[in-house]
Amino acid sequence: AQTVTQSQPEMSVQEAETVTLSCTYDTSESNYYLFWYKQPPSRQMILVIRQEAYKQQNATENRFSVNFQKAAKSFSLKISDSQLGDTAMYFCAFLGGRDDKIIFGKGTRLHILP
Amino acid sequence: GAVVSQHPSRVICKSGTSVKIECRSLDFQATTMFWYRQFPKQSLMLMATSNEGSKATYEQGVEKDKFLINHASLTLSTLTVTSAHPEDSSFYICSARGGWDQPQHFGDGTRLSIL
Repeated sequence: AQTVTQSQPEMSVQEAETVTLSCTYDTSESNYYLFWYKQPPSRQMILVIRQEAYKQQNATENRFSVNFQKAAKSFSLKISDSQLGDTAMYFCAFLGGRDDKIIFGKGTRLHILP
Repeated sequence: GAVVSQHPSRVICKSGTSVKIECRSLDFQATTMFWYRQFPKQSLMLMATSNEGSKATYEQGVEKDKFLINHASLTLSTLTVTSAHPEDSSFYICSARGGWDQPQHFGDGTRLSIL
């Protein structure tokens, strides 16, 4: 069975700093997708970034980038030049194999301090 | 981008009533829709997966007679909480996707409060 682990329940950084959120997963599948979702206080789930396992190049979306290490089954999210609006809960998620459903990690609560 | 509309956003009702929550994909056809429940400061807990035109697949521990799911079209799924009780109070979120390899797009959620 697939699992997703986020080892940092909560983090705080100063505005404009760079922060990295860690995520590891376990799977026997070779083809799968990984996601980072953001849930701000409004509780809306927002897709931040997506990575296909077959792609070696790390995905980037403006200030957000990932460090995808397939062999290590690691999928960390880097937020550069952090902004107050980045304050949110961040969920790492996995989709792959026979399961038709995304598996979410427990989340990391990120606070950006002014 | 893909938009999923969830309605209502907030419901307060008396114990014993049934509550229906709608989830609509506005600009794409959703072959699969998902219903989640989220407790405060916790991750999303998948309740059930529904494919258009077929019965929903419920996760272990979720009462199918309590949480009725209907996915009658490619753009609409509904979750009905039957005979709701205070312990059913929670935040419910739906999501939808067009194909297996497509990302899930989420509705804004429904905060359900049973008095």
